[in-house]
Amino acid sequence: EVQLVESGGGLVMPGGSLRLSCAASEFTFISASMNWVRQAPGKGLEWIGRIYSKTVRGTTVYAAPVKGRFTISRDDSKNMVYLQMNSLKIEDTAVYYCTAYLETTRSGDYWGLGTLVTVSP
Amino acid sequence: QAVVTQEPSLTVSPGGTVTLTCGSSTGTVTSDHYPYWFQQKPGQTPWTLIYDTTNKHSWTPARFSGSLLGGKAALTLSGAQPEDEADYYCLLSYAGTRVFGGGTKLTVL
Repeated sequence: EVQLVESGGGLVMPGGSLRLSCAASEFTFISASMNWVRQAPGKGLEWIGRIYSKTVRGTTVYAAPVKGRFTISRDDSKNMVYLQMNSLKIEDTAVYYCTAYLETTRSGDYWGLGTLVTVSP
Repeated sequence: QAVVTQEPSLTVSPGGTVTLTCGSSTGTVTSDHYPYWFQQKPGQTPWTLIYDTTNKHSWTPARFSGSLLGGKAALTLSGAQPEDEADYYCLLSYAGTRVFGGGTKLTVL
């Protein structure tokens, strides 16, 4: 069963930085494209970005609101994906989820339980 | 960035059938948008019901089905159960980027 566990959330001041991690297990991580999705309190889901597997060039794509501030990376040797968030704003407050799309079975997305990021003075 | 539209709310009677739709500001939704449908209950993590237009996971109840209908992606619930009351989100892909719809709050009443 696919397992995704996010960590690294917490309280940060506006303008600060935070790095979220997502530990993946029970699937072929190197062949998965990984996404980050967030949900602000009481709001809908917002896709942040994705990183493709290295078999699909390992490229990254971002949503406009976070492009230039957020960076997604992966370490296939550790089955980890990361979200580096810089220049954080109050409106970045949300639960952040990582999700996986499995290219080997062409199935997805599998979800983690999320980690809460609060941006506040 | 494209805008993905869903009905803000819908109501279905227990045992009834309801169709939720997912439209795109760019025009007709096709299989090349790889439509997804997610269910989320209050306080819970979302989970995937349908991916790539029509595909179900092993955990997707048989009463849910995905399709393309009238230029939109559609999620049909046939034989609604009280436990189907939830928020439903669709997701469309646009050449690599992905955009969620605003969600549909489904009430079973």
